[in-house]
Amino acid sequence: DTEVTQTPKHLVMGMTNKKSLKCEQHMGHRAMYWYKQKAKKPPELMFVYSYEKLSINESVPSRFSPECPNSSLLNLHLHALQPEDSALYLCASSLSSGLYQETQYFGPGTRLLVL
Amino acid sequence: RKEVEQDPGPFNVPEGATVAFNCTYSNSASQSFFWYRQDCRKEPKLLMSVYSSGNEDGRFTAQLNRASQYISLLIRDSKLSDSATYLCVVKRLSGGYNKLIFGAGTRLAVHP
Repeated sequence: DTEVTQTPKHLVMGMTNKKSLKCEQHMGHRAMYWYKQKAKKPPELMFVYSYEKLSINESVPSRFSPECPNSSLLNLHLHALQPEDSALYLCASSLSSGLYQETQYFGPGTRLLVL
Repeated sequence: RKEVEQDPGPFNVPEGATVAFNCTYSNSASQSFFWYRQDCRKEPKLLMSVYSSGNEDGRFTAQLNRASQYISLLIRDSKLSDSATYLCVVKRLSGGYNKLIFGAGTRLAVHP
């Protein structure tokens, strides 16, 4: 089962709202990632968690706050977003973050619209 | 200059055609190479890894030339269902972990 699930599929929020995106995998993967993808652009890495610890933050604004409650779950907490944050947010996982031939598997994404 | 460069297309081809996509990468420290496929409004899905010896999966053939820092994907006997964006992806060490670097993608439209 090479499945990464994400909820919700779509989210509309105002600039003063607080919301959370959720990601789950049951493949025993120990590395999980958040990406942001704008229309007609490739995915851009935001965060990497390795063994439930934040390994990489690609200079993401603090209005995005990741959390990894356990090895299967990854959350992205959103607060005071801007309209330019509207995008497809993709979660991915891989067996580890260190093996060069490791494949990353992507979830279906959450399409976020900030009004 | 982008680290991974691809022709954005679109490539409009009839069913049954053979189509080739090219990709170049600039960082010689890149360690592994992939082609991902992304359908409209969907997530990227791994199509195939790319090895120096070249590899084939059915109608798809991928080649890597490390000396030229060039990657290719050949699709034979195109099907309507091959219509998608094809992302060239390289992996290299960054900050102690292996990071995926995506090309901007090449759009393929296969028509009847």
